[in-house]
Amino acid sequence: AQKVTQAQTEISVVEKEDVTLDCVYETRDTTYYLFWYKQPPSGELVFLIRRNSFDEQNEISGRYSWNFQKSTSSFNFTITASQVVDSAVYFCALSVNTNAGKSTFGDGTTLTVKP
Amino acid sequence: NAGVTQTPKFRILKIGQSMTLQCTQDMNHNYMYWYRQDPGMGLKLIYYSVGAGITDKGEVPNGYNVSRSTTEDFPLRLELAAPSQTSVYFCASSYSTGAQISGNTIYFGEGSWLTVV
Repeated sequence: AQKVTQAQTEISVVEKEDVTLDCVYETRDTTYYLFWYKQPPSGELVFLIRRNSFDEQNEISGRYSWNFQKSTSSFNFTITASQVVDSAVYFCALSVNTNAGKSTFGDGTTLTVKP
Repeated sequence: NAGVTQTPKFRILKIGQSMTLQCTQDMNHNYMYWYRQDPGMGLKLIYYSVGAGITDKGEVPNGYNVSRSTTEDFPLRLELAAPSQTSVYFCASSYSTGAQISGNTIYFGEGSWLTVV
């Protein structure tokens, strides 16, 4: 069985601070996929990134960056120079097959960015 | 740019009533999903479909039914509503060849808030 742990339930930062959201996963499969989703206060879910288990390259997209480390089974998400609009619940998820929607989700980290 | 549309957005049901949550997508995606999200929790998969005429159970299917008669539509049926089904429901869709995930972005609907009293 798969498991995703987001140990940080809530994080509060002041605008322009950097913040890292942690995600630790468990799986016995050697091929798997990791995802991050954003759920703003309006409630919709937005796909942010997918990472394959065989690709450990870190990725940067604007102020967002992701650090994937198989050695520690972690897929952490960093927001640089946070903004109020980054306030949301962020979910990490794991899929062990090509059906990306059949994922195991973490319980989410609520990020509050204060002005 | 409709994407994934689900209705209704809000609904209050009495215990024992039945209802259908509608979901339609206009992206010609083969995969569709229904999730529920309880307060403070991540999403749990109820049912999914890999194509018209094919459905399968997810992690929490009890108390629900689905059908997939067309590529576009994937309704979720609650037969005998129970308070434990009070939750936010999300429909989603994606495209996959099945060989591997590549560019497999999942698109979500805006959610349906269901309260059973």
